[in-house]
Amino acid sequence: GAGVSQSPSNKVTEKGKDVELRCDPISGHTALYWYRQSLGQGLEFLIYFQGNSAPDKSGLPSDRFSAERTGGSVSTLTIQRTQQEDSAVYLCASSLDEAKNIQYFGAGTRLSVL
Amino acid sequence: GEDVEQSLFLSVREGDSSVINCTYTDSSSTYLYWYKQEPGAGLQLLTYIFSNMDMKQDQRLTVLLNKKDKHLSLRIADTQTGDSAIYFCAESMTGGFKTIFGAGTRLFVKA
Repeated sequence: GAGVSQSPSNKVTEKGKDVELRCDPISGHTALYWYRQSLGQGLEFLIYFQGNSAPDKSGLPSDRFSAERTGGSVSTLTIQRTQQEDSAVYLCASSLDEAKNIQYFGAGTRLSVL
Repeated sequence: GEDVEQSLFLSVREGDSSVINCTYTDSSSTYLYWYKQEPGAGLQLLTYIFSNMDMKQDQRLTVLLNKKDKHLSLRIADTQTGDSAIYFCAESMTGGFKTIFGAGTRLFVKA
């Protein structure tokens, strides 16, 4: 594919609702990452998928957050019972070369929880 | 623990050189990166340097690495208004997937 694609680009939701964010990585990239970017903050690592290995979920902030990657390609990040502090830009990245680990980022989903 | 620090803002005049600085804590870092983020977009890799190098030059970009002081810098020559963006410093270790990003330096270029 042309690049990493994320949808939706913007999502406004009410506190307590569940949301799903989607990421289409670059075709053939085996590694996929989710990050959270809050205003004025760096990138907060959330979760990492590599091939068929079990994902590294060590960055997920609470059990309200979960992610899956189907068929080694598309990934969905789900946030249940959203809170206002979940408001941020959620970025997805994919990578091919594990040694250099150069990551290619999508434009992100801006989540606003009212 | 692992940490990457950089100043939050830098303002320069068009045509001047910009120098963005970064410090990191993990001495086992193998690759160090500079990513650029323009408004409303994701991060884009600008350049990277392997830890056994001291310097890397790519057109207007010069990366300097001081391993002893764990200091990385990015120099942009002849800075243009199109260079206005957030610049992220990042580090990763060999064989590891984890990349640690700094908070980003917002570069303002005044015409």
